Amino acid sequence: AQSVTQPDIHITVSEGASLELRCNYSYGATPYLFWYVQSPGQGLQLLLKYFSGDTLVQGIKGFEAEFKRSQSSFNLRKPSVHWSDAAEYFCAVGRNGYNKLIFGAGTRLAVHP
Amino acid sequence: DGGITQSPKYLFRKEGQNVTLSCEQNLNHDAMYWYRQDPGQGLRLIYYSQIVNDFQKGDIAEGYSVSREKKESFPLTVTSAQKNPTAFYLCASMGSDYGYTFGSGTRLTVV
Repeated sequence: AQSVTQPDIHITVSEGASLELRCNYSYGATPYLFWYVQSPGQGLQLLLKYFSGDTLVQGIKGFEAEFKRSQSSFNLRKPSVHWSDAAEYFCAVGRNGYNKLIFGAGTRLAVHP
Repeated sequence: DGGITQSPKYLFRKEGQNVTLSCEQNLNHDAMYWYRQDPGQGLRLIYYSQIVNDFQKGDIAEGYSVSREKKESFPLTVTSAQKNPTAFYLCASMGSDYGYTFGSGTRLTVV
């Protein structure tokens, strides 16, 4: 069965520090991969997506993610975190012809000043 | 700009009452979805629709109903059979790239 795992439920970083949020997936086909961000009381906003090609993808707000097929991972990174990045982050997986995304449980990011 | 509009933003329901959450999109997307989100939990799929006049149950459909009479609209009714309806409800649609666009959500509270 397809699944998405975000191993870290909560992460706390200091402002200005680097960030990496982990995402691992189990999928039987070449996946489409997404990262979404959710601020409290808001909907989810797309940060970036990967379909094919260059395995390092750039997104909005200075985020990037790297697809590693051998590790079944799609980790989200940011070199320097800002206080406004505090939010919940969701990894999601889909594939061609599949009518639903599968979401991870989310990682809540706290940023210390 | 195209997007998804959910209304109302806040909704209060009395015990035994049915309430309907609105979801409208102008993205010309065929597929639409309803998710429930509880504090500290991820997204749980309630219902989804791939085309007008057709919809499928998700993982937690009991106590909910939907309709899809128009491509643009996918309202969710929370019935009195839903014993614990207090939650944050998110509507989404799927584009041709298989990614979702989400609405801003409706927070439902039982009073």
